[in-house]
Amino acid sequence: QKEVEQNSGPLSVPEGAIASLNCTYSDRGSQSFFWYRQYSGKSPELIMFIYSNGDKEDGRFTAQLNKASQYVSLLIRDSQPSDSATYLCAGGGGYQKVTFGTGTKLQVIP
Amino acid sequence: DAGITQSPRYKITETGRQVTLMCHQTWSHSYMFWYRQDLGHGLRLIYYSAAADITDKGEVPDGYVVSRSKTENFPLTLESATRSQTSVYFCASKRSGLDHEQYFGPGTRLTVT
Repeated sequence: QKEVEQNSGPLSVPEGAIASLNCTYSDRGSQSFFWYRQYSGKSPELIMFIYSNGDKEDGRFTAQLNKASQYVSLLIRDSQPSDSATYLCAGGGGYQKVTFGTGTKLQVIP
Repeated sequence: DAGITQSPRYKITETGRQVTLMCHQTWSHSYMFWYRQDLGHGLRLIYYSAAADITDKGEVPDGYVVSRSKTENFPLTLESATRSQTSVYFCASKRSGLDHEQYFGPGTRLTVT
């Protein structure tokens, strides 16, 4: 069973702080990893993808991948109340099928 | 530009009934996907399609049937609904096999009584 594991949270951070979301995966064949944001009652939307070891930055978001440790993380700098959502980690060996984690709920406290 | 739509948005049905969930996208994306989302399980892939008339099973295909006669439509049928199929169903699409981003529809909340 290919698994992607996330802590369900909630993770609470004060406004302006860095939120750190973590994810581990079991399938060493996974090559691409994704972070989706899902607001309550809404559909997921892609915010980051990464397929190389190291860091990838996009605005306030940084995705980190460590294939040796089978670990993916998402850092959100200068967290805002509008970042409060559930963040889904997903990974896959190809581009077609990805396995999603159960998500981490983030709460940014004003 | 409607993007990707799903209908109905909410559905209540009885055990044993057949129900079809519709998904329509206006982008002419090649790939389409059906997921279900349940508390504690996250998003699980039911079926996906790489093009019209090409479909393949995902993680949890049992009890579901799909078809794709036209690129823009990807209906999901529950042949004989069971209570365990109560869930939120999301349809998604992406332009090609090389693209990373899947675009999700608004979801259908299905309750089987």
